[in-house]
Amino acid sequence: QQQVKQSPQSLIVQKGGISIINCAYENTAFDYFPWYQQFPGKGPALLIAIRPDVSEKKEGRFTISFNKSAKQFSLHIMDSQPGDSATYFCAANEYSGAGSYQLTFGKGTKLSVIP
Amino acid sequence: DTAVSQTPKYLVTQMGNDKSIKCEQNLGHDTMYWYKQDSKKFLKIMFSYNNKELIINETVPNRFSPKSPDKAHLNLHINSLELGDSAVYFCASSQGGAREKLFFGSGTQLSVL
Repeated sequence: QQQVKQSPQSLIVQKGGISIINCAYENTAFDYFPWYQQFPGKGPALLIAIRPDVSEKKEGRFTISFNKSAKQFSLHIMDSQPGDSATYFCAANEYSGAGSYQLTFGKGTKLSVIP
Repeated sequence: DTAVSQTPKYLVTQMGNDKSIKCEQNLGHDTMYWYKQDSKKFLKIMFSYNNKELIINETVPNRFSPKSPDKAHLNLHINSLELGDSAVYFCASSQGGAREKLFFGSGTQLSVL
């Protein structure tokens, strides 16, 4: 059962263009939605995150849009650069008891930004 | 200084062998994790430890056993390795649980022949 559905699986964008990656979830217990960026041969690194009480969060060229009623959130990368080429994972967090939280990842989107 | 370091980076072994992956974090975090990333890049949590206590133990074969000697270390021991165990294993840590930023190691690529 895939709790966080991510699309597309791969994305090719021209340099300077906008990259958009979408995620959807069903579990209303999720209360924190981070995006992780992973370069080849490296571990994922936190890029940006949002809590469900806001509809948008922007950090530089990266923006998360969050639609609580639709249970969807998306990552927008403005002015995409070749250095942004990586795999992006959306994730959702829920309380799992005993003071612990569990993060569930989407399946990832491989982004290629071509010059 | 690497925040989350895991060794070895590459591990090539035969089916049936037993192997260990070591992880250390120098961030002073109280929660550590093991994640498995398969060939399709899917990241799935295996274990979570908080202050040396096992919190999350997903549906993982008994052949996988985590050991946390102290808050800064979380090792993964795998018995009787199978072909399907081939994957990249990531150690991660956070302060206060997964609601906070997870710091990942660089991964251990395990290849079972």
